[in-house]
Amino acid sequence: VQLQESGPGLVKPSETMSLTCAVSGDSMIGYQWAWIRQFPGKGLDWIGYISYNGDVNYSPSFQRRMTMSVDTSKKRFSLRLASVTAADTAIYYCARAGPGDSRALDSWGQGTLVTVSS
Amino acid sequence: QVVLTQSPSASASLGASVKLTCTLSSGHSTYAIAWHQQQPQKGPRYLMNLTGDGSHARGDGIPARFSGSSSGAERYLTISSLQSEDEADYYCQTWGTVVVFGGGTKLTVL
Repeated sequence: VQLQESGPGLVKPSETMSLTCAVSGDSMIGYQWAWIRQFPGKGLDWIGYISYNGDVNYSPSFQRRMTMSVDTSKKRFSLRLASVTAADTAIYYCARAGPGDSRALDSWGQGTLVTVSS
Repeated sequence: QVVLTQSPSASASLGASVKLTCTLSSGHSTYAIAWHQQQPQKGPRYLMNLTGDGSHARGDGIPARFSGSSSGAERYLTISSLQSEDEADYYCQTWGTVVVFGGGTKLTVL
């Protein structure tokens, strides 16, 4: 499976950031689809994941501002993060987890840098 | 909530072996984990899944010189015949109600 993130590289403070991950090479059925971010030079932070059937699990740190969606027919899933600030400037990765009960992230996108600035 | 602890850095010589450690917090010693490699300026790459009994399954295209083992709450990644391209950050990851990453170990190949 291959994953490719897309979205605006620059977002203004207080706006909503939207990212999409295109999935190719395998079906989305049976897996969870995750978002992870990384501040430059720092470690990995899990944002949340959405199941192929639309069930979501968000990190408590993002729960109030986060919306994820999935479209298995178009083989893509998306992230919307509201009220962004400079502290949301990071590289955002999409990844696949599963199958079944496993949440091991076994495929990753290359990442997309999002800068929050006016 | 489970916490994963990794040493910040490790080093080993070209051609040698190195064993990296990921420690699960108290009460979570049976958890499976995944190991990921992040080379400089690249995205993470899945290396393997590793269970509490030491069974591991490498990801597609991961060479056999990457292996995993377990002892109690410790999960290990052993890299043998070190190559220059193995110089990278290595993260462990586990899951329960949430997904958790360790802080990462920066491996330097001397």
